[in-house]
Amino acid sequence: QKEVEQNSGPLSVPEGAIASLNCTYSDRGSQSFFWYRQYSGKSPELIMFIYSNGDKEDGRFTAQLNKASQYVSLLIRDSQPSDSATYLCAVEVGGYSTLTFGKGTMLLVSP
Amino acid sequence: NAGVTQTPKFQVLKTGQSMTLQCAQDMNHNSMYWYRQDPGMGLRLIYYSASEGTTDKGEVPNGYNVSRLNKREFSLRLESAAPSQTSVYFCASSESSGNTIYFGEGSWLTVV
Repeated sequence: QKEVEQNSGPLSVPEGAIASLNCTYSDRGSQSFFWYRQYSGKSPELIMFIYSNGDKEDGRFTAQLNKASQYVSLLIRDSQPSDSATYLCAVEVGGYSTLTFGKGTMLLVSP
Repeated sequence: NAGVTQTPKFQVLKTGQSMTLQCAQDMNHNSMYWYRQDPGMGLRLIYYSASEGTTDKGEVPNGYNVSRLNKREFSLRLESAAPSQTSVYFCASSESSGNTIYFGEGSWLTVV
């Protein structure tokens, strides 16, 4: 059973703070990892993907991957109220060929 | 730049009725997917098509059928709708299986 776990939240942070979103996965064969953002009533949109251990930065977003610990995280620096959304972690398992999504973490950024 | 287009956006069905959700992508992607999203359950894969001419079951295929009509189009059919199929349905596509998935805007389906 391939599982992707996320804390459902809500995670509440003040504007300007760093938001840290976490995700764990069960299958050590996982190869690719994705973070999606979903606003209420909208479809998920890709923020970042990461394939290798370590950090990957894109603007205010940093994805961190630790395959040994089966852990992937997303850091959002200088959080803005417009970042308030649900963040979905998705994992691709090599050979399975589709993405398995976590249930998402709701982030609330207060002005 | 349309991306992934799905229709209808909203639909109300009576129990036992049938309907087809249509999906088309203009990104020349090989793989297409149908997901459903329910409160507290996250996104769950119903069916997918890794390439034109192939379809495979996902996590929750019961009560659904799919057709990969051509490379662009992938439809989802509910033969006899049940209240448990009330959900938001997302069609998606990717260049190939396991790559970044791009979603359509969603179809809100209510079965009464």
